[in-house]
Amino acid sequence: GQQVMQIPQYQHVQEGEDFTTYCNSSTTLSNIQWYKQRPGGHPVFLIQLVKSGEVKKQKRLTFQFGEAKKNSSLHITATQTTDVGTYFCAGPGAGGTSYGKLTFGQGTILTVHP
Amino acid sequence: SQTIHQWPATLVQPVGSPLSLECTVEGTSNPNLYWYRQAAGRGLQLLFYSVGIGQISSEVPQNLSASRPQDRQFILSSKKLLLSDSGFYLCARRDRGYTGELFFGEGSRLTVL
Repeated sequence: GQQVMQIPQYQHVQEGEDFTTYCNSSTTLSNIQWYKQRPGGHPVFLIQLVKSGEVKKQKRLTFQFGEAKKNSSLHITATQTTDVGTYFCAGPGAGGTSYGKLTFGQGTILTVHP
Repeated sequence: SQTIHQWPATLVQPVGSPLSLECTVEGTSNPNLYWYRQAAGRGLQLLFYSVGIGQISSEVPQNLSASRPQDRQFILSSKKLLLSDSGFYLCARRDRGYTGELFFGEGSRLTVL
């Protein structure tokens, strides 16, 4: 079945440093989504990428979708303590997007030291 | 509004006891609903999904079952809990007409002792 791999598993940074998490799929994806989960909280949708090579920005966050639509990355510039949490990528699961199922990566846990 | 209510928020159950987790949604009709489990604060595993009343699909064989008795109600159950059922259970919805993102409830944290 489809697998979505995410690296690194953990990342510790000093406040102000940059952070990047990478996502790789075993199959070509029609789209990829990113979610953030604060400690003790639930995942919250950040963004969806659909087009090959697409790049989207949200303030200090930059999201990229690979040309082959099999990989993606999330880059945070100048991290802040509010960026702490687990970042997940997710791709459509088997059965087509009409069911809305998502296969999630294992997530990257970001710790920001003040 | 994409409101999702989950309860209970936290529970501790002995091995072999039954389980019922409830999820209700507001502000939408005929959403797709999902149960995910998150073990040890890491990845999300899809357990069940439903595209309508009485329609349940299971993603993995397990000790759990799901039901959707009403359009906006999704229930996760077990007759006899196992230690391995411990985890953070998240209900999610995908509304018709949205581009595909999921909205999650605040979760139910289950500890089986």
